[in-house]
Amino acid sequence: DAGVIQSPRHEVTEMGQEVTLRCKPISGHDYLFWYRQTMMRGLELLIYFNNNVPIDDSGMPEDRFSAKMPNASFSTLKIQPSEPRDSAVYFCASSLFYGGAENIQYFGAGTRLSVL
Amino acid sequence: SQELEQSPQSLIVQEGKNLTINCTSSKTLYGLYWYKQKYGEGLIFLMMLQKGGEEKSHEKITAKLDEKKQQSSLHITASQPSHAGIYLCGADSSGMNRDDKIIFGKGTRLHILP
Repeated sequence: DAGVIQSPRHEVTEMGQEVTLRCKPISGHDYLFWYRQTMMRGLELLIYFNNNVPIDDSGMPEDRFSAKMPNASFSTLKIQPSEPRDSAVYFCASSLFYGGAENIQYFGAGTRLSVL
Repeated sequence: SQELEQSPQSLIVQEGKNLTINCTSSKTLYGLYWYKQKYGEGLIFLMMLQKGGEEKSHEKITAKLDEKKQQSSLHITASQPSHAGIYLCGADSSGMNRDDKIIFGKGTRLHILP
């Protein structure tokens, strides 16, 4: 398996523009996670899905952020409109299980977003 | 809510030296995960610890979980340039509660001097 695939790797956009980040999880994994990483706040969980259904979106910072998982092999994280404070590295991860004693999450290479 | 504190925040060591990174939890740990992140890349899973006193090793990296299950350490022996990166600990404090989140520390940045 190629692992978790994210695109684009880098995104530079202007404030107010819509940004869409994409993720393809590892085949067979039931859980998909979206994280945001900044120097100040570290790695923060934004939302996660189980079998394509959003389970917990309490980490989504504002209504400007939305995430979808239309099928088991694809998810998007959208920011509309984008703001400079959204600049960060966004990671997607997938796992077989979640919670409990065993949960190994496999991460994509991330999307580095810069909002000017 | 649970918090994970990592120390030190950054570390610079000479190649060949040993080093230790610590991860301390405000609550009992039911699962403790160590990840490594190369600069500009994603996180790579290293090891998972569950039992108090447990110790695991992979090549020159050893991770331990204390008996009280509130602190873990990651020890690298004879460091190499390939060990450079950001080391993050992650934890699930809820045991078998499938609704709880995985919390990550802010990471320890490790630089290896040749």
